[in-house]
Amino acid sequence: NAGVMQNPRHLVRRRGQEARLRCSPMKGHSHVYWYRQLPEEGLKFMVYLQKENIIDESGMPKERFSAEFPKEGPSILRIQQVVRGDSAAYFCASSPQNTDTQYFGPGTRLTVL
Amino acid sequence: KQEVTQIPAALSVPEGENLVLNCSFTDSAIYNLQWFRQDPGKGLTSLLLIQSSQREQTSGRLNASLDKSSGRSTLYIAASQPGDSATYLCAVGDLRTDKLIFGTGTRLQVFP
Repeated sequence: NAGVMQNPRHLVRRRGQEARLRCSPMKGHSHVYWYRQLPEEGLKFMVYLQKENIIDESGMPKERFSAEFPKEGPSILRIQQVVRGDSAAYFCASSPQNTDTQYFGPGTRLTVL
Repeated sequence: KQEVTQIPAALSVPEGENLVLNCSFTDSAIYNLQWFRQDPGKGLTSLLLIQSSQREQTSGRLNASLDKSSGRSTLYIAASQPGDSATYLCAVGDLRTDKLIFGTGTRLQVFP
């Protein structure tokens, strides 16, 4: 059973471009969570999704950020018109149920030039 | 609002020492507590998970305890090794918000 997979592992974007981060949960897991880790800070919750539904997006910035978890395919975190402050490590986690152990992917490190 | 604090922020010790890392949380309404390890530039590895009804969990040289009423958890590392060098993160599963709330971590360095 492969773990949580994220790609790309590293992403470089110029200000104003779009960033698309992908997360494939572990097999059998229908709950996906996205976290952001800013430099020298802890992980902060962004959004919690189940297949085709956003359950909780209270940690997502109101503008430029969106997330989806379609019926088929990976979960996508999309950042439009990136700014330097978006530079961070973005981690995805999955679990079979909401209060179960969350298994984390290796993260995507976004650098905005 | 649940807040998770980890002390110390950084720790540097010679190998062989027994270590205690501390985690405190402000709201005892949790469903579990997890300890993770994060290596530089890497993802998170789950070390130990303690359900809210449990008092401790052990895995090899690691032992984690949970005192929900006082809002504390400790991670005990026995006979530390250079390979234990990493950042250790504590996270609580918050019952009120259904979210995993992370501390800012303890950066551990074990030197030979």
